Order: sequence, then structure tokens, then C-alpha cells
Amino acid sequence: DAGVTQSPTHLIKTRGQQVTLRCSPKSGHDTVSWYQQALGQGPQFIFQYYEEEERQRGNFPDRFSGHQFPNYSSELNVNALLLGDSALYLCASSLRSGRAVYEQYFGPGTRLTVT
Amino acid sequence: AQSVTQPDIHITVSEGASLELRCNYSYGATPYLFWYVQSPGQGLQLLLKYFSGDTLVQGIKGFEAEFKRSQSSFNLRKPSVHWSDAAEYFCAVGVTNKLVFGAGTILRVKS
Repeated sequence: DAGVTQSPTHLIKTRGQQVTLRCSPKSGHDTVSWYQQALGQGPQFIFQYYEEEERQRGNFPDRFSGHQFPNYSSELNVNALLLGDSALYLCASSLRSGRAVYEQYFGPGTRLTVT
Repeated sequence: AQSVTQPDIHITVSEGASLELRCNYSYGATPYLFWYVQSPGQGLQLLLKYFSGDTLVQGIKGFEAEFKRSQSSFNLRKPSVHWSDAAEYFCAVGVTNKLVFGAGTILRVKS
């Protein structure tokens, strides 16, 4: 049973560029959440996708956007990159129903470095 | 606003000694509480969860946690630490379909 997978593992971008990160959820899961983990901090919720729609959003600017595909996989896009966007980006999957949405399984993350 | 506080940034214990990592939460209703572990360069692994019922929760790798409503705490414990337990530990509360995490506690194990 494949767990949550993310690609790429590492990425280096320049300020002002755009980046796309990808996530495939655990088999059977229909909900994908994205978190940003800056160095030395806990993960911060960016947004959550279910049925191909953004259902909830954390305190992140519109430069952060996403998408969910019919097979439940998801992308995180960040435009106009800033140095402060350098972080580990974590994808988590779960089921949407009831409290199962809180039982989130995390991928290994994508380490984004903005120079 | 909901929040999680992990008062200890770093903790060092000797191998074989007992461990307790502290977690305090701020949330008005009955919380859903979680502990995750993160090894260097890896994602988060769920150790245990509390939704309701018995306030002492057993998890994987020999960990347990106790929910104390009166103290707004959910401390993680292990009776005997192994060198492989060295990692960063995060406490989280489930709120409106998302997880709110603390800043983490880095556990060092000395031989």
C-alpha cells in the first residue's frame, strides 16, 4: 500500500519565479491538505482540497494556489517567489468524512530553496 | 484562536531513561489531539491520537499520552527511550478540518 508521495524532493528557485509541487495521496484517501514548515517551526496549514475544490484556506497570500485532479492527486503552485517561501512543503491526505479528516498521513515533503 | 504550546525546545535524555514531552493546547471545545514524530529530512509520522473516551492513549513505538482537560495538556511519555527515538516531536490539535501544530520539541538521546 503506497503512502503519500511528493515530487520533487528538492527544488531551488530564484526570487520572482514560479514553482509547482505535486502530491499523490494514500490509496483510498480523497482529501489533500498542504502545509508549510519553515526551519525550526511546526507545520502551518496552507489549504485543503476535496472534490477538486479548495475547501479551506489558512493565512497565506493568493500567490499560493492549488489544484486537485479527479484521481485525488494535487498540486501546490507558488507565484512570485520570495526568500521567505523557502521551507519544507508537506502534503497530507485523509478521508473527508467526520473526524477521519483529522487522521492525516504525511508525505516526505518537498524542500524548496529560494535564492 | 486555537493554539498549541510545546514549552521545551530541546530535551536530552539518556538511553533507557523515561521520557515526557509536554504539550498544552488552547481550544474551547473537546479537542482532537495528536502527536507526530519527524526524523531528519522526513515527513511526519503519526504516533497516537485522542478523540474521546479513555484519557490514556497508546500509540506506536511504545509511546503513550494522557489527556488532562483540567490542565489543557496532552503530554507524551515513554518508559524507556531508545537511541532511535532521537527526532523532533510535534503536538497538534484538530480544528475545523485542519491540524494546528506546536513548534516542536527536539529529542536528543545520549548513550
